[in-house]
Amino acid sequence: AQSVTQLDSQVPVFEEAPVELRCNYSSSVSVYLFWYVQYPNQGLQLLLKYLSGSTLVKGINGFEAEFNKSQTSFHLRKPSVHISDTAEYFCAVTRTGNQFYFGTGTSLTVIP
Amino acid sequence: DAGVTQSPTHLIKTRGQQVTLRCSPKSGHDTVSWYQQALGQGPQFIFQYYEEEERQRGNFPDRFSGHQFPNYSSELNVNALLLGDSALYLCASSLAVGRRDYEQYFGPGTRLTVT
Repeated sequence: AQSVTQLDSQVPVFEEAPVELRCNYSSSVSVYLFWYVQYPNQGLQLLLKYLSGSTLVKGINGFEAEFNKSQTSFHLRKPSVHISDTAEYFCAVTRTGNQFYFGTGTSLTVIP
Repeated sequence: DAGVTQSPTHLIKTRGQQVTLRCSPKSGHDTVSWYQQALGQGPQFIFQYYEEEERQRGNFPDRFSGHQFPNYSSELNVNALLLGDSALYLCASSLAVGRRDYEQYFGPGTRLTVT
């Protein structure tokens, strides 16, 4: 089975500062990796995904993530955050595309 | 193009009762997955339906059951409700494995409160 660990439950950051949200996964086989964002009282929206190829993937809203197989990590980054980025962020992994395993989430708060 | 829709938005039930939640997938999608998201937690996979059959199931008791209709819409049924079943229930639709990019599109969820 796979599992996902999001190392930071809460991340406060000032507006226009860079941010990194950390994600580590555990799996004995190759997996596909995803980051989702959840705004209050809404469902999840896909930010980006890694399926294969380049280990640096770019997503929506200026986010990017780097897949590191040796460290089993898939950290999410943004060079300059905005107030509107305040939300809950979830890292997820799947081996087959049927069952997804999510982390417990990181609450990003952007401070004006 | 309508995205994933879920009904109802909110629901309050009493322990021991039964509940049915509904989901309509994004246009063109044929696979529906259900997740339970407890407060402050990430979504937990309940099961996935494709071609009107349960394809895969997570670690949930038999009190949780589902159905998929020929138009790909789906229902989640929970019997003998417990207080611990209080959560946001998310439906996600996608294309079947082998024809897709592994993207799941989520609905806004149904907030179930069990008292």
